[in-house]
This record gives sequence, structure tokens and C-alpha cells, in this order.
Amino acid sequence: DTGVSQNPRHKITKRGQNVTFRCDPISEHNRLYWYRQTLGQGPEFLTYFQNEAQLEKSRLLSDRFSAERPKGSFSTLEIQRTEQGDSAMYLCASSPSGTREQFFGPGTRLTVL
Amino acid sequence: GENVEQHPSTLSVQEGDSAVIKCTYSDSASNYFPWYKQELGKRPQLIIDIRSNVGEKKDQRIAVTLNKTAKHFSLHITETQPEDSAVYFCAARNDYKLSFGAGTTVTVRA
Repeated sequence: DTGVSQNPRHKITKRGQNVTFRCDPISEHNRLYWYRQTLGQGPEFLTYFQNEAQLEKSRLLSDRFSAERPKGSFSTLEIQRTEQGDSAMYLCASSPSGTREQFFGPGTRLTVL
Repeated sequence: GENVEQHPSTLSVQEGDSAVIKCTYSDSASNYFPWYKQELGKRPQLIIDIRSNVGEKKDQRIAVTLNKTAKHFSLHITETQPEDSAVYFCAARNDYKLSFGAGTTVTVRA
């Protein structure tokens, strides 16, 4: 499968724990995006990378959230001290430079108990 | 920031009939409008898109129209089939990020 991949697909954690998700974009896509989707809603933008540079962060991304893309390839999204309100599907998307299409991964479903 | 509204939230159509979903956006700087189809438990998949310098685009049974002056765009699906049943999201792009509508659940009755 040459599409965007995300791991894990599902994560159940207890409130207060830290979690980390990984996204592997389509090869040679230099742009990478994180979105959050709650039940019955469309995805909401969290952050955007061009290569290894994080260029924009949403107000939704509190100081408990951090994202990295150390070598401009895969990206990680970490949530510290998880809260029940963090329960959602976390989607990653990528796109090549010069195009506007974004291709989504299957998402990581987070459940905070 | 950009605000995208999508209507209706649910749509039930008889197989073979047409389905229309409408979206409005608020930021006149938005310049790209994709539509995604999301089946239960699966990733959003791009089905068609339109750029701000184009008024209409068609791909087989699906078409999208854009009215920049009124800031609204629509998805049209003709000759609906059971496999068209899914949640459809419109989006508007501004400064790289996409702002999505809340989605329309389309059910095609056999």
C-alpha cells in the first residue's frame, strides 16, 4: 500500500497518560497535515509541516499537544496528560509541493477513559 | 478564520435519483474546494475538487459547481447507486489548511 499510513489504528488510554501517534506520508510528499475528527463532524485542522518545518498550528493545539517531523519524512503527534475531551480520530494527510490535493491516512482512533 | 457550512446533514434518495449537497464558505481568499467521501471506519477519499477560477467540473456521475460571488459550491451525484452511500464532506482551502463542513450522510435506497 503506497498511501498514507498511521499507527496505531486504535489507542485506548487512561486519563492523564501520554500517547504518541505516527504518520508515514506518501513517499516524496513534502507537506504533511494533522487533523482531528470527532463523531459527526468534519476534520479540524491541527498543524501543518513543509518538510521538517512546522509552519502553522491551530488554536486547537494546546500546550499538551506537540508534533514533530524530524527528517521531513514521518511525523509524530504526542498528547501529554490526556483528557477525555481528547477522544477523537486523529487523521494525517500529505500532499506533494505544487498541488492542492491532500491524501488522508486511515486515522488513529483515540479513546481516553 | 474560514467557516464552512454544509446542508443537508442527512439525505436519503432512491437508487437512480440525483443527490445534491450544498456548502457555503466565509473567506473570499479560499481558492480550492475539494469534496471527500468517507465510508464508515475508513479514510476520507477525495472524489472531486474545483479551483476558484473554474465554475463547474464534472467526472462521470459527479459534478461540482462554484459560485464565487455568492461563496457557495455544490456537489451533484446523478444516477445514484447503493455504493454512493457514505458521508460526504465539503472543504475550503486557505493558506494550505482545509476547513471542512460538518458532513452529509447520504443513504441510497435500493
